[in-house]
Amino acid sequence: DTAVSQTPKYLVTQMGNDKSIKCEQNLGHDTMYWYKQDSKKFLKIMFSYNNKELIINETVPNRFSPKSPDKAHLNLHINSLELGDSAVYFCASSVRGTAFFGSGTRLTVV
Amino acid sequence: KQEVTQIPAALSVPEGENLVLNCSFTDSAIYNLQWFRQDPGKGLTSLLLIQSSQREQTSGRLNASLDKSSGRSTLYIAASQPGDSATYLCAVGWSGNTGKLIFGQGTTLQVKP
Repeated sequence: DTAVSQTPKYLVTQMGNDKSIKCEQNLGHDTMYWYKQDSKKFLKIMFSYNNKELIINETVPNRFSPKSPDKAHLNLHINSLELGDSAVYFCASSVRGTAFFGSGTRLTVV
Repeated sequence: KQEVTQIPAALSVPEGENLVLNCSFTDSAIYNLQWFRQDPGKGLTSLLLIQSSQREQTSGRLNASLDKSSGRSTLYIAASQPGDSATYLCAVGWSGNTGKLIFGQGTTLQVKP
């Protein structure tokens, strides 16, 4: 049983397309996150939701829109994809300061 | 500005050596600090979590220390093995409410047989 699972694992798409990445956690945590890892392996937070409510939005372009239908799911929708969006996107959840990460979605925009 | 720095960026050691990875952070008013391991093409595995009130945590051959006053944490790996080869990431939480983590750039460790 995977604690934090995200799909798809790989995503290759053309510039201008719209795509979504899904994340689910079965840990019962209230807080979920999206992080982006760039080509230099630097991880940076994008969004955080607590019990379906947005609590962190780190100056991410509004082409990125997170959606949390319930506290176990946090999806990331990206409109009008650009080359610079190519990265690995990690979903995470946390409780009492301990974070658990998914295995990542490698997005390649061509 | 809250920042996390890891030195060195890369480290290569022979098997069996004890080694120390360093992490430094600005703003000593942290909530917690977490060390992660990332294997190539994989996700992050949490190794150790140190709360701001703690000075160290141990798990097997790993020991993480925290010195808030100097803004430093170290990850000590004893008797290194080739299977320890990975990138080690230090992440600091400054807010207990949001759980947001700020990451260092990581140290890529290679342990040679």
